Amino acid sequence: GAGVSQSPSNKVTEKGKDVELRCDPISGHTALYWYRQSLGQGLEFLIYFQGNSAPDKSGLPSDRFSAERTGGSVSTLTIQRTQQEDSAVYLCASRPAGGSYEQFFGPGTRLTVL
Amino acid sequence: QQQVKQSPQSLIVQKGGISIINCAYENTAFDYFPWYQQFPGKGPALLIAIRPDVSEKKEGRFTISFNKSAKQFSLHIMDSQPGDSATYFCACKAAGNKLTFGGGTRVLVKP
Repeated sequence: GAGVSQSPSNKVTEKGKDVELRCDPISGHTALYWYRQSLGQGLEFLIYFQGNSAPDKSGLPSDRFSAERTGGSVSTLTIQRTQQEDSAVYLCASRPAGGSYEQFFGPGTRLTVL
Repeated sequence: QQQVKQSPQSLIVQKGGISIINCAYENTAFDYFPWYQQFPGKGPALLIAIRPDVSEKKEGRFTISFNKSAKQFSLHIMDSQPGDSATYFCACKAAGNKLTFGGGTRVLVKP
């Protein structure tokens, strides 16, 4: 079956512009996560959606970052007034309902802020 | 505060050798410890995972050793192959199903 997909795969933007990154999770997966991976670094948790519960936004680095998940499926991560330090790979992962803790990752969106 | 410390940052091993990667954590509430493998241009993929009630788990050439009292766990890759060349991340899960990742180890297996 299809895995997690993300678009665009690459995004180059100018400092101060807004960007939207999209994640299509695996069909039927109830949990969705966003992470940020800076060059040569580990994964930094950003936000977590679980079903219809309020999202866990505890990892968002500033109020310039926001995310939504429509209809319990597709999610969009928005970064307003981008800064050069926002340059990173943004990864989305989804997880099925039930007892499995495995997260299935998409290929990521590489964001470059000039 | 770095909750999960992973070492080494990089590792070079000859084909057929053993790769060992270590992780240490601080939060005793962590209750699930996976290792993820990431190839360039791809997202991480689950390799193997362990719960704190066992001290070792083996799947093929990959083994996790877990020391609860020391709050450490490690990944051993036996008979390393060039196809194992990738970046490996340890992670720890707390309540809420959030993963905290280590900084990653880049492994290069030389033929």
